[in-house]
Amino acid sequence: EAGVAQSPRYKIIEKRQSVAFWCNPISGHATLYWYQQILGQGPKLLIQFQNNGVVDDSQLPKDRFSAERLKGVDSTLKIQPAKLEDSAVYLCASSFSSSNTGELFFGEGSRLTVL
Amino acid sequence: GENVEQHPSTLSVQEGDSAVIKCTYSDSASNYFPWYKQELGKRPQLIIDIRSNVGEKKDQRIAVTLNKTAKHFSLHITETQPEDSAVYFCAALTNSGYALNFGKGTSLLVTP
Repeated sequence: EAGVAQSPRYKIIEKRQSVAFWCNPISGHATLYWYQQILGQGPKLLIQFQNNGVVDDSQLPKDRFSAERLKGVDSTLKIQPAKLEDSAVYLCASSFSSSNTGELFFGEGSRLTVL
Repeated sequence: GENVEQHPSTLSVQEGDSAVIKCTYSDSASNYFPWYKQELGKRPQLIIDIRSNVGEKKDQRIAVTLNKTAKHFSLHITETQPEDSAVYFCAALTNSGYALNFGKGTSLLVTP
């Protein structure tokens, strides 16, 4: 079974530039999450989708971050403009369970460095 | 959102010893508590979870205990091995009941 795919794996940009990350969840998983993991910390939820609808985006900095999952499968997370503090690994995860008490399957992450 | 506190932040044990990591949570309505293991440079992976209707769950060398009254849960690893060295994260459901909030992690080092 193919896992959660993410790209790019690494990205270096200067502050105020924009960046986009892509995620393809495991086939059949209706729930998709984007987490931000700053070095030395636990993953922090940015946004959760159930199919193509947003379930929770309360911790997404909406002035600069946006995410979409138009067809209920792939998802894109965008940052514009980037700030130094956005340097982190952006983890995409998916889950088959709609009850939110099932296992999260994480991708390998996209490491962002903002200079 | 749900506040999950995790201790200790680092833990060093000798091979064969036991390791215990503790977490507390703030939302009494939380009912699902997983533990994830993240090896260096790799993705987090679920190792064990517990639901609120159970006080303890065991899977070979790892176990999790839950005290809902005190709002804390713990991960126990017995007979530790060098390959147990990793960062361990506890988590609990958010207030919305829809997604997980993670603790800050515990870096476990098992020395031979």
